[in-house]
Amino acid sequence: EDQVTQSPEALRLQEGESSSLNCSYTVSGLRGLFWYRQDPGKGPEFLFTLYSAGEEKEKERLKATLTKKESFLHITAPKPEDSATYLCAVQVVRDTGKLIFGQGTTLQVKP
Amino acid sequence: DTGVSQDPRHKITKRGQNVTFRCDPISEHNRLYWYRQTLGQGPEFLTYFQNEAQLEKSRLLSDRFSAERPKGSFSTLEIQRTEQGDSAMYLCASSRSGGEAFFGQGTRLTVV
Repeated sequence: EDQVTQSPEALRLQEGESSSLNCSYTVSGLRGLFWYRQDPGKGPEFLFTLYSAGEEKEKERLKATLTKKESFLHITAPKPEDSATYLCAVQVVRDTGKLIFGQGTTLQVKP
Repeated sequence: DTGVSQDPRHKITKRGQNVTFRCDPISEHNRLYWYRQTLGQGPEFLTYFQNEAQLEKSRLLSDRFSAERPKGSFSTLEIQRTEQGDSAMYLCASSRSGGEAFFGQGTRLTVV
């Protein structure tokens, strides 16, 4: 069964304290891995797509990387406005394009 | 704003009543998805349309749930005889074939 697991469930950082979020996946065939940011009461906001092992993408203080079994979202020198839930999702080859999500990591950055 | 639009944003209903939600996707997107999200969990897939054809339904989608996408434009999700377990955020997303999905702000349903 295709499955996505994120860790940790919650993470508290001081402003400027860099860290990484983990997304482990087990799928029959990976078409793509997606990272989204979700603020409370709102829909997920697209951040990155990664398609193959070794690929990296960056946006401001965020960098996503992909291996054959997991993805990391690195947050460098975070600010309070980076506080949100970060969701990881996979698409499986020969599928409809639906996303299979992990449960998310809730990040809190304190000033 | 040309993003995905959902209406209403919030709905409170009594158990046993029927509710209907609407989603307007990004205009050039041919794919439309419905997801359900409960507190502390990631979104779970409910159903998928390519243009006007409903091509996949999750086992989560009981007989009380029905979705349509007439003419391949907006979509509606109806829940009949609502139950307290239906309380959740209902999210709509759209994409081009092979592209990333963009989500709406969701409809928060509370069944009392």
